[in-house]
Amino acid sequence: GESVGLHLPTLSVQEGDNSIINCAYSNSASDYFIWYKQESGKGPQFIIDIRSNMDKRQGQRVTVLLNKTVKHLSLQIAATQPGDSAVYFCADGRGNTPLVFGKGTRLSVIA
Amino acid sequence: DGGITQSPKYLFRKEGQNVTLSCEQNLNHDAMYWYRQDPGQGLRLIYYSQIVNDFQKGDIAEGYSVSREKKESFPLTVTSAQKNPTAFYLCASSNNEAQYFGPGTRLLVL
Repeated sequence: GESVGLHLPTLSVQEGDNSIINCAYSNSASDYFIWYKQESGKGPQFIIDIRSNMDKRQGQRVTVLLNKTVKHLSLQIAATQPGDSAVYFCADGRGNTPLVFGKGTRLSVIA
Repeated sequence: DGGITQSPKYLFRKEGQNVTLSCEQNLNHDAMYWYRQDPGQGLRLIYYSQIVNDFQKGDIAEGYSVSREKKESFPLTVTSAQKNPTAFYLCASSNNEAQYFGPGTRLLVL
């Protein structure tokens, strides 16, 4: 069946460096992708989304890249800060169906 | 102040007891969702509702029940049939695109 997975369960980054979190999906019909940030004990927070007709989308300090050929997307965080420490989830959406979530990558920022 | 609220923040359940978790949204979203999150795990879908008075089972609906009598509200009942209810429960709502989450309810068993 379809799945959305993450390449690495944990990622440690030096403060000020850029972070890259990767995600793979298996359903070629997927047309909408979302990244969420979840801090400990809180609900996931929407970061950025991208539709399948785009390759790249930028937000404030974040960029999402989508490669439909290899069914891969990534979240890039520029100048990573201690407040960026959290678990990051990618999710796959198709029309009005519920999102499919990956297990998440825990980002730790080293001061 | 728009958003999704969940209550209570912590809930304790005794053996054989049914408990109900509240979820309210004032975003005028049509769809609402309930997820369960276990430590170090991702989100698993329990139930979802795309419109008032209609809902569908998710991947792990056994031992849970829901109702959707109002657009704003989607309460989740954890029944005594759910043998391992300890988890973090998240409610979300959407209008066909990104889902927005509430702060969660942590359910513990006494």
